[in-house]
Amino acid sequence: AQKVTQAQTEISVVEKEDVTLDCVYETRDTTYYLFWYKQPPSGELVFLIRRNSFDEQNEISGRYSWNFQKSTSSFNFTITASQVVDSAVYFCALSEQGNQFYFGTGTSLTVIP
Amino acid sequence: DSGVTQTPKHLITATGQRVTLRCSPRSGDLSVYWYQQSLDQGLQFLIQYYNGEERAKGNILERFSAQQFPDLHSELNLSSLELGDSALYFCASSAEPGQQETQYFGPGTRLLVL
Repeated sequence: AQKVTQAQTEISVVEKEDVTLDCVYETRDTTYYLFWYKQPPSGELVFLIRRNSFDEQNEISGRYSWNFQKSTSSFNFTITASQVVDSAVYFCALSEQGNQFYFGTGTSLTVIP
Repeated sequence: DSGVTQTPKHLITATGQRVTLRCSPRSGDLSVYWYQQSLDQGLQFLIQYYNGEERAKGNILERFSAQQFPDLHSELNLSSLELGDSALYFCASSAEPGQQETQYFGPGTRLLVL
């Protein structure tokens, strides 16, 4: 079973639309961390956010926001007023005790001008 | 620019060969991680080092090995290469080794096995 599931393989939106990228995780640990990374066409993975399992507060950073819900084991990522520069592959990741790290398969986002 | 450097950027080799990928962590970071990104398997954690010692192991094949040197740079050795080893290999680093640490990724080494 996948530890991190990103069911949306590809999403296309028109510029200025809002888009939500889903992430569902699975763990038995009580302490774990969740991350989102962006992989633009250049290939490098860029860190976006880290959230620990004890902090369920939603977070907003500019046009980006994250919704962490332990009850549904989800850590969804919303981009508001999308821009062409947001086009990339976005990865959700989980780190468990014992330093095991798991990445989802990624969601490829295309923002159409 | 994350501050993590990887060399070479591209590598083309033949089946059965051995290659070495090199990674220099961000200044001050003591922990290094290696990942393999392939089309069919996605991004897979291979191994982690902290201050020269192996810290955690993921899905690393026996044909692969790594080490971290006293100057904290790390090398990933891939031997008896197979076509399926063709992938993008990422190195990441963090200040400390814990699961809570944010990892900063290098640009990757693209390996093509022919």
